[in-house]
Amino acid sequence: DGGITQSPKYLFRKEGQNVTLSCEQNLNHDAMYWYRQDPGQGLRLIYYSQIVNDFQKGDIAEGYSVSREKKESFPLTVTSAQKNPTAFYLCASSMAQVNTEAFFGQGTRLTVV
Amino acid sequence: KQEVTQIPAALSVPEGENLVLNCSFTDSAIYNLQWFRQDPGKGLTSLLLIQSSQREQTSGRLNASLDKSSGRSTLYIAASQPGDSATYLCAVYRHNTDKLIFGTGTRLQVFP
Repeated sequence: DGGITQSPKYLFRKEGQNVTLSCEQNLNHDAMYWYRQDPGQGLRLIYYSQIVNDFQKGDIAEGYSVSREKKESFPLTVTSAQKNPTAFYLCASSMAQVNTEAFFGQGTRLTVV
Repeated sequence: KQEVTQIPAALSVPEGENLVLNCSFTDSAIYNLQWFRQDPGKGLTSLLLIQSSQREQTSGRLNASLDKSSGRSTLYIAASQPGDSATYLCAVYRHNTDKLIFGTGTRLQVFP
């Protein structure tokens, strides 16, 4: 089946640790995105990538890092510099053209313990 | 700055009702508008995509309209069912950006 796979579904992080969230797609999409969702707020863009080996900061990139070494993969690292990382993280992809539909994965819930 | 607003924030209706969810945006310079459904603890499922040149899109019991000049979109759900209970989000793809801008959603509950 074509789609976007995020793993793990649940992730627990200790204070001061870096953790990496996985996002893989087999839709042959050029563009990939990471969003953060908090209760009562809309989705906020963390990072996005329109092409392999290139990515741009979104609205809330501080404390996060990404890489795009392969078209299919766009992992997100939540670093210790992110002061409030507990949230629901969503990965999405779309064709590079702006008038195309975006598809989302099932999300990763990150909790700081 | 593009802002997207969804009203109401929550809605509870009996099964069988036809209902309308509203989405408004402040900047009409958009490429498209997309409606999503989100079940609790899950990702987003795309429902309908309306290009800026289109007035409406239909899929089954769902119909979405777009009035770009007034900055409004509505999602019409016909003959609602308990399985329609979810949060519905709209998002616009604004000109000169590479991202979708989301509203905060409408939480819908359809009771039997």
